[in-house]
Amino acid sequence: AQSVTQPDIHITVSEGASLELRCNYSYGATPYLFWYVQSPGQGLQLLLKYFSGDTLVQGIKGFEAEFKRSQSSFNLRKPSVHWSDAAEYFCAVVPRNTNAGKSTFGDGTTLTVKP
Amino acid sequence: KAGVTQTPRYLIKTRGQQVTLSCSPISGHRSVSWYQQTPGQGLQFLFEYFSETQRNKGNFPGRFSGRQFSNSRSEMNVSTLELGDSALYLCASSLLYEQYFGPGTRLTVT
Repeated sequence: AQSVTQPDIHITVSEGASLELRCNYSYGATPYLFWYVQSPGQGLQLLLKYFSGDTLVQGIKGFEAEFKRSQSSFNLRKPSVHWSDAAEYFCAVVPRNTNAGKSTFGDGTTLTVKP
Repeated sequence: KAGVTQTPRYLIKTRGQQVTLSCSPISGHRSVSWYQQTPGQGLQFLFEYFSETQRNKGNFPGRFSGRQFSNSRSEMNVSTLELGDSALYLCASSLLYEQYFGPGTRLTVT
């Protein structure tokens, strides 16, 4: 069955430390891949997306993600975390040649930033 | 360009009542999706509308319904509210694949 897995429910990092959030998917063909961020009580904001081409994609707020076909992964990274990055992060996929209504979201990873 | 707007932002209703939530998508976006978000169940897809037609549907009871107007604005309705319907309801608009979310409507059922 098609699925998206974010193995880490909760991650705590110190401010200034690097961050990596994991996302794995299980689909027949590589889907379109997305990362979203949600601050408490707010909607989700698109951080970055991967459709094809360069496997390292840059997003907003200093985030980047790397697509690895062999591992069916799309991990989100940031070299130096700021206190304002504390939020919940969602990985999402859309099967190729479908539409946004076919989106599947992971369960989310909550990021806590220690001062 | 203005973002996705949702009204109202907060709502308190009593069990058995019905409620209508509204969503105005980004100009030019014809797809509107609705999600229910709760601490226990996470983000759950309700339905998606495209050009006034329901194109995709999640696994929710018939008490949850929606519609889309010719200007792409969308409404969702929940009838016979239950305590378990308390949640953040998110609307997202899309051109193709990525979604742009509104701030949500926080519904509390007492």
